[in-house]
Amino acid sequence: EPEVTQTPSHQVTQMGQEVILRCVPISNHLYFYWYRQILGQKVEFLVSFYNNEISEKSEIFDDQFSVERPDGSNFTLKIRSTKLEDSAMYFCASRDREDTEAFFGQGTRLTVV
Amino acid sequence: AQTVTQSQPEMSVQEAETVTLSCTYDTSESDYYLFWYKQPPSRQMILVIRQEAYKQQNATENRFSVNFQKAVKSFSLKISDSQLGDAAMYFCAYGYNNNDMRFGAGTRLTVKP
Repeated sequence: EPEVTQTPSHQVTQMGQEVILRCVPISNHLYFYWYRQILGQKVEFLVSFYNNEISEKSEIFDDQFSVERPDGSNFTLKIRSTKLEDSAMYFCASRDREDTEAFFGQGTRLTVV
Repeated sequence: AQTVTQSQPEMSVQEAETVTLSCTYDTSESDYYLFWYKQPPSRQMILVIRQEAYKQQNATENRFSVNFQKAVKSFSLKISDSQLGDAAMYFCAYGYNNNDMRFGAGTRLTVKP
């Protein structure tokens, strides 16, 4: 069964460093998303991406964040100058049409120290 | 803005019994989608069930069913014959077109043997 894959599963970085979280969505999907979940808290929307551009972003998704689909298969989330409060689980999701559910990756646990 | 509210942070149920998880949402749209996702300790988000707002019939998926009341914007999940493997965080989510899905804060379900 097709699945969304995310790498790495766990990333530890020093405060102030840049990290890139990688996702490979399901191949025929057109809509891509990043969510984050601070431990024990709700799942928060970060950004949606369609047709090679951001379609919507939340107030969390400030200039520190950027997304890219560099090669037609990968979908990356870059976090510049990480802060302690960026520590969270980051989920990538994709869907093939507007009216279908999103399929989630297994998440990347980001720990900023 | 669309919001999703889950008023039960924690619920517990005896194995083989039935439990209902509550969810309400706020939207001005008439055509949208509602989802219940399960997040086990592995942290992966797994779709449990979905409901299209234009459908009057409540969705059912084996032991999982929903009570969708569009007029009052309520979307509860009923789990029948609860099993130990049902223990997880359950998130209610709202989706509209290609926009992001908004999640509730989650309900932690404990299943007692």
